[in-house]
Amino acid sequence: DVKVTQSSRYLVKRTGEKVFLECVQDMDHENMFWYRQDPGLGLRLIYFSYDVKMKEKGDIPEGYSVSREKKERFSLILESASTNQTSMYLCASIGDWGYGYTFGSGTRLTVV
Amino acid sequence: RKEVEQDPGPFNVPEGATVAFNCTYSNSASQSFFWYRQDCRKEPKLLMSVYSSGNEDGRFTAQLNRASQYISLLIRDSKLSDSATYLCVVWSGGGADGLTFGKGTHLIIQP
Repeated sequence: DVKVTQSSRYLVKRTGEKVFLECVQDMDHENMFWYRQDPGLGLRLIYFSYDVKMKEKGDIPEGYSVSREKKERFSLILESASTNQTSMYLCASIGDWGYGYTFGSGTRLTVV
Repeated sequence: RKEVEQDPGPFNVPEGATVAFNCTYSNSASQSFFWYRQDCRKEPKLLMSVYSSGNEDGRFTAQLNRASQYISLLIRDSKLSDSATYLCVVWSGGGADGLTFGKGTHLIIQP
């Protein structure tokens, strides 16, 4: 089974801090994604990457950046955390589009 | 982005009953369809893919109706452990831009 691992389940950060969310997958997938999930809004795509050093903006990239230096690792960076970035962050990877995503266990980030 | 619509519920269903819910999609060119299950405060997990001919996995049956542009999920002999949010996911090709999530249907199985 594909395993997607997110480094933290719960994080509490202060407004203005730089926050790194790490995601690692072990199945050599080229495609990796970051979503945030909020009640009533569903899953919203922040950034995705089709290959090492490639990145594409999703629907809500403002306030975020990403890094993909190695194929297995996709990092989400909040340059200056704000309270409206309090959310559940989900990383996912996919090999064949016909087989659907595998998600990491999520990081629940609270910005105070 | 094309739309995927689900009734948010909650559906309150007695244990042992059969429950079904639908997901409608707007893009007639959609290629792949999935149901995901998400437990409270957990990540979504793939429940089943939905094939044109319909498919069954134990108590779960998924159907695709291309003419009316919806997919359905039927759960027979529901268990307390089936309580979760069920997300519909539709892929219309073109990589991540073509992948659309519904907002989910909340199912509560009552003893």
